[in-house]
Amino acid sequence: DIQMTQSPSSLSASVGDRVTITCRASESINTYLNWYQQRPGTAPKLLISSASSLHSGVPSRFSGGGSGTGFTLTISSLQPEDFATYYCQQSYTSPRTFGQGTKLEIK
Amino acid sequence: LQLQESGPGLVKPSEALSLNCTVSGGSLNSYTYHWGWIRQSPGKGLEWIGSVYNDGSPYYSSSLKSRVTISVDASQNQISLRLRSVTAADTAIYYCARETGNIAPSGDFCYYMDVWGKGTTVIVSS
Repeated sequence: DIQMTQSPSSLSASVGDRVTITCRASESINTYLNWYQQRPGTAPKLLISSASSLHSGVPSRFSGGGSGTGFTLTISSLQPEDFATYYCQQSYTSPRTFGQGTKLEIK
Repeated sequence: LQLQESGPGLVKPSEALSLNCTVSGGSLNSYTYHWGWIRQSPGKGLEWIGSVYNDGSPYYSSSLKSRVTISVDASQNQISLRLRSVTAADTAIYYCARETGNIAPSGDFCYYMDVWGKGTTVIVSS
């Protein structure tokens, strides 16, 4: 199975900050990488597919990049509603696998 | 399109867990989509359980494949999950999700889970 590793596991930041979350795959997955946001008590929501394609309705302050084994999710200017947990997920092959999550907290 | 999970909230250890996911506002009869289940243990991350692909082929998590069956009933617009021989470690919120795909700027055809149900909580306890 392809292992997905996110860093950091948690992150404290302030409204207006720029933050970047990293996701690494245990082998090359081209750009078959998706990012999800999960707020407490709710289902995950798709943010970005194919490493860098912003899903419909997702604010442009979110961006993704990378290919192969290294990927990033960047939020350019944090808003109060962005404090949540973020997961990367590979769809290069089955079984699909998720990263362990990055919890973004208010400083 | 909406997905709604349903099933018993409490299951005894060693028994089987059976959940359904009802699709409304759309049809399961599409060659575009995969249909899958994901779970989240209390305070933990997301764990992919498995999917049925658009050609009818099932794919399962390596750690669960000996105990899990996922099936699609297009006549009922439902996706079903059966997990046998449960233990307390199977206590979780169970989500169903639609997986779709498109051609990325890179030229790859990338799948992603774009529609999720709200999830249903299952507790394994005697």
